[in-house]
Amino acid sequence: EVQLVESGGGLVQPGGSLRLSCVVSGFTFSEYYMDWVRQAPGQGPEWIGRSRNRAKSYTTEYAASVEGRFTISRDHSQNSLYLQMDSLKTEDTAVYHCIRGVTIPGGKIVFGEWGQGSLVTVSS
Amino acid sequence: DIHMTQSPSSLSASVGDRVTITCRASQDIRNKLVWFQQKPGKAPKSLIYAASSLQSGVPSRFSGSGSGTDFTLTISSLQPEDFATYYCQHYNGFPLTFGGGTKVEIK
Repeated sequence: EVQLVESGGGLVQPGGSLRLSCVVSGFTFSEYYMDWVRQAPGQGPEWIGRSRNRAKSYTTEYAASVEGRFTISRDHSQNSLYLQMDSLKTEDTAVYHCIRGVTIPGGKIVFGEWGQGSLVTVSS
Repeated sequence: DIHMTQSPSSLSASVGDRVTITCRASQDIRNKLVWFQQKPGKAPKSLIYAASSLQSGVPSRFSGSGSGTDFTLTISSLQPEDFATYYCQHYNGFPLTFGGGTKVEIK
């Protein structure tokens, strides 16, 4: 069974940093694309970044709203995906989900399984 | 960036009703569209990918159609468990973006 479990959220002041972790199980982590999506309270989801798989050298993509402030990384010995968040702003307050990407016919990647999310609150 | 516009933003319907939600992309995304269902406190769940392909395990009362810029999600006979918020999302390049959502409420 595929499982994704996020942790590391909490309250942080504007300008501060936080690192979220997503521990995965039930699949070969290195073979899959992984995404981070956040959802602010009462709002729709917002994609923030992607880590491609080993075949694509784990390259990354970011949304403009987080580019230069957030960094996605992996530790395959720990089966973990990370989201390093620096220079946090109040508008970064949201539940952050990690997602396993799945390949559909035609070769495109879409969101598969989601973790339950980790709440990040940026406030003074 | 590709902007996704959903309508309506909310609707009230009764069990058994046929419900239609529309999603418009700001530019041609071919068929690269997913529909999600989200219930309160839960992560979104994928219903349809490639605009019209039903995800495994999703009831056949859900269907999707469209191509290019205009897309539709239809629930043929609304069931009690279908009251939720629905989102469309394109995957035709970065950034991946979502529509604003349609909340389906009980009449």
